[in-house]
Amino acid sequence: AQSVTQPDARVTVSEGASLQLRCKYSYFGTPYLFWYVQYPRQGLQLLLKYYPGDPVVQGVNGFEAEFSKSNSSFHLRKASVHWSDWAVYFCAVTPYQGGRALIFGTGTTVSVSP
Amino acid sequence: EAAVTQSPRNKVAVTGGKVTLSCNQTNNHNNMYWYRQDTGHGLRLIHYSYGAGSTEKGDIPDGYKASRPSQENFSLILELATPSQTSVYFCASGDATGKDNYAEQFFGPGTRLTVL
Repeated sequence: AQSVTQPDARVTVSEGASLQLRCKYSYFGTPYLFWYVQYPRQGLQLLLKYYPGDPVVQGVNGFEAEFSKSNSSFHLRKASVHWSDWAVYFCAVTPYQGGRALIFGTGTTVSVSP
Repeated sequence: EAAVTQSPRNKVAVTGGKVTLSCNQTNNHNNMYWYRQDTGHGLRLIHYSYGAGSTEKGDIPDGYKASRPSQENFSLILELATPSQTSVYFCASGDATGKDNYAEQFFGPGTRLTVL
């Protein structure tokens, strides 16, 4: 069955340090992959999306992610974290082309220390 | 600006009572979704719809009904609310359009439901 695994429930990083959030997916076929961010008491906002093509995709606010078919991964990175990046990050996959619902990971909470 | 709105934003209900959560979208999307968010589970799909008049069961539909009376509106109904349905509920809309033919979903702000 299709699934998404985010192995880190919580990550704490210092402001200005780099960040990597891990995401592993299980899917047979061509996945469409997403990273969403949820700021405190808000809904989910799209950070970036991947469809077949360039494995490195750029998102908003300096985020990027790299798709690896061999590792079944879609890790999120940021070179220098800002305090405003304190949020919950969700990785998601959609199994089909054409509007099927997303399958989400359990999320990683990022805390930023001064 | 296109948007997804939800009402109410917060709701306290009693066990056995009926609860209706409403969602409205101005994106003109055909597809709408209801998810619930619980710690340790991420977001899980309850019901979804491909257009007015249609509803489909998602991964965890038990105890929930859905209604899609129009393109813009999608409701989630708990006929007999239970404490296990205490959660945060998110509505989303999306469509398979554009050259990439995949559906980015746009989320509402969420409804926090507490069932006592």
